[in-house]
Amino acid sequence: GENVEQHPSTLSVQEGDSAVIKCTYSDSASNYFPWYKQELGKRPQLIIDIRSNVGEKKDQRIAVTLNKTAKHFSLHITETQPEDSAVYFCAASVIGGGYQKVTFGIGTKLQVIP
Amino acid sequence: GAVVSQHPSWVICKSGTSVKIECRSLDFQATTMFWYRQFPKQSLMLMATSNEGSKATYEQGVEKDKFLINHASLTLSTLTVTSAHPEDSSFYICSASGQRTGRTEAFFGQGTRLTVV
Repeated sequence: GENVEQHPSTLSVQEGDSAVIKCTYSDSASNYFPWYKQELGKRPQLIIDIRSNVGEKKDQRIAVTLNKTAKHFSLHITETQPEDSAVYFCAASVIGGGYQKVTFGIGTKLQVIP
Repeated sequence: GAVVSQHPSWVICKSGTSVKIECRSLDFQATTMFWYRQFPKQSLMLMATSNEGSKATYEQGVEKDKFLINHASLTLSTLTVTSAHPEDSSFYICSASGQRTGRTEAFFGQGTRLTVV
């Protein structure tokens, strides 16, 4: 099955700086890579996703890059704000057959220091 | 995004009793539902996958007789923790997947925090 590795497990940055979280996956069949933000005691919320036919996607202050050959994908948050503090999960999935099984990384606890 | 409602959001039960958690997709037909378990400060671990009208597929190490999953309709799946023990205390989250607006996506319920005393 799929195995997703994520690092770092914790990350502290000063407000306004950038944060980068990196993930690798093992299953070359994976073709969809969502990123989730989870605040304490709440459900994971999808913040951005990328499909395997795209190398980069940006949405305001967040961007995701994908290197299919190396099986790497990364989340970039620029101009970080205190409200960005949360746990971020990368995930890998195969879309097909009408369902989506998602394998998560271990998570990165991001702390943005005001 | 789509609405997936999970109930209850918080439950305390005595050791040895059973607890049922419901997961409903409110505005789309969920052909598949997934049940995850999350320990404090850890990632979401997939427990099982259920397709409407068929038996659930459990991940390795998950006891199917302890965690009973029923997916009787395209909008409802239930997870029953049978004979619960303190080590079953955890955060359980469901995820529903199905075609919506032409795209297959998975959406999460708000989670259920189970405490077994």
